[in-house]
Amino acid sequence: DVKVTQSSRYLVKRTGEKVFLECVQDMDHENMFWYRQDPGLGLRLIYFSYDVKMKEKGDIPEGYSVSREKKERFSLILESASTNQTSMYLCASSLGVLGQRVTEAFFGQGTRLTVV
Amino acid sequence: DAKTTQPPSMDCAEGRAANLPCNHSTISGNEYVYWYRQIHSQGPQYIIHGLKNNETNEMASQIITEDRKSSTLILPHATLRDTAVYYCIVRSRAGNNRKLIWGLGTSLAVNP
Repeated sequence: DVKVTQSSRYLVKRTGEKVFLECVQDMDHENMFWYRQDPGLGLRLIYFSYDVKMKEKGDIPEGYSVSREKKERFSLILESASTNQTSMYLCASSLGVLGQRVTEAFFGQGTRLTVV
Repeated sequence: DAKTTQPPSMDCAEGRAANLPCNHSTISGNEYVYWYRQIHSQGPQYIIHGLKNNETNEMASQIITEDRKSSTLILPHATLRDTAVYYCIVRSRAGNNRKLIWGLGTSLAVNP
């Protein structure tokens, strides 16, 4: 089974702190994603990576950066945490598109981040 | 990718079939319909997907209308553990999940 592991389930950080959220997948997937999920807003894509060292902004990248130095690991960085970044953060991975094959995404358990 | 419309909530009795509808009237010919679910405090879980034929796997069945403007996810014998939010998403055959548009889904409550 595909496993996507997020380093923490719950995290509490102070305003202004630099925060690292780590995600590791064990299925050699090319694509990795970071979403945040807020009540009434659903899942929103923050950043996406389709290969090592490659990244693309999603719909809400402001205040975030990402790092993908190895294929299996995708990190989300909050340079200076703010209270409006309190949210559930979800990491996902999927195979790249192989010809015309469409592949599903596999999600981690999520990290509930509270910024105080 | 096309947008989908789902009812915000549904109830189902344990052991009965749960039929979750999804409208996707603007779907185009190369877009698949995907279903995910999210159990409370967990990440979303893939269930099933299809293009135009009905599909079945060990978790559920998906029925797509002939005009492909709507589909139904069927959980044949719902259990309490099927209580979750169910998301219907359409995405391009050539997509890479980047442009998945996640709505608010249907919150299914399976009652004893």
